[in-house]
Amino acid sequence: EVQLVESGGVVVQPGGSLRLSCAASGFTFDDYAMHWVRQAPGKGLEWVSLISWDGGSTYYADSVKGRFTISRDNSKNSLYLQMNSLRAEDTALYYCAKDSGDDTVTTSYFDYWGQGTLVTVSS
Amino acid sequence: EIVLTQSPATLSLSPGERATLSCRASQSVSSYLAWYQQKPGQAPRLLIYDASNRATGIPARFSGSGSGTDFTLTISSLEPEDFAVYYCQQRSNWPGGTFGQGTKVEIK
Repeated sequence: EVQLVESGGVVVQPGGSLRLSCAASGFTFDDYAMHWVRQAPGKGLEWVSLISWDGGSTYYADSVKGRFTISRDNSKNSLYLQMNSLRAEDTALYYCAKDSGDDTVTTSYFDYWGQGTLVTVSS
Repeated sequence: EIVLTQSPATLSLSPGERATLSCRASQSVSSYLAWYQQKPGQAPRLLIYDASNRATGIPARFSGSGSGTDFTLTISSLEPEDFAVYYCQQRSNWPGGTFGQGTKVEIK
C-alpha cells in the first residue's frame, strides 16, 4: 500500500524558514518523480514544485521560485521542501504527491497524496 | 498561464441522479486533463487522467470526455459517497500545470 506521510508544518513568522518532510513507502520511491501541492484554507489546489526521480531536475511555481527548494533522499525514501522567506500567502496545507508516471516518466498527474502538513505564516 | 474555469460552482443533486461537471481551458490543453475528487478533511483522489482514462480502482460510473478547451466529468448515478468537491487539472504547460477552482456536488 502506498503511503505518504508529511511532517514539519508549524506556525512561523513572516520572513522565517521551515523544512517539510515526506516519508514514502509501499512503492519503489526512486522510480518516480514527486511533487508538492498546497491548498490555502478553504481554497483550491496549487502545484508548488516537482523533482525528478533522481533529483537531477527540479521545477517550481513562479509564486515560490527563488524561495523554496525541493530535494529528495532516495536512500531514505524521503522528499523535502525547504521554505525560506515565508509570506502570509504561503499559509496552506502542503501535500506530498506521487507522480503517476511509470519508470521515471513524469506525467504531472498526482495518483497518491499524503494527508498534508499545515504551514501557518503569521506574526 | 492556462486558466481552467469550472462550472457550475455548486451542483445540488439527489442520490441516483446524473452529475455533469464542466471544465473549460483558456487555451487548448489537448487531452492533458485530469479530474480529482476531494472530500472534507481528506486529500484529493485522482479519478480521470488524459481526459477520459479512469485511474486505478475508480468505479465505472465516473467518466470523462473532451479535448482542446472543453471537458466534462460525468457521474452516471450519484452514490452517497460521491458528494464532494471536484477539481480539474491541466498538465499541458508542463511541469505541474494548473487546477480549476472546483465544483462542489452537494446533496439536494
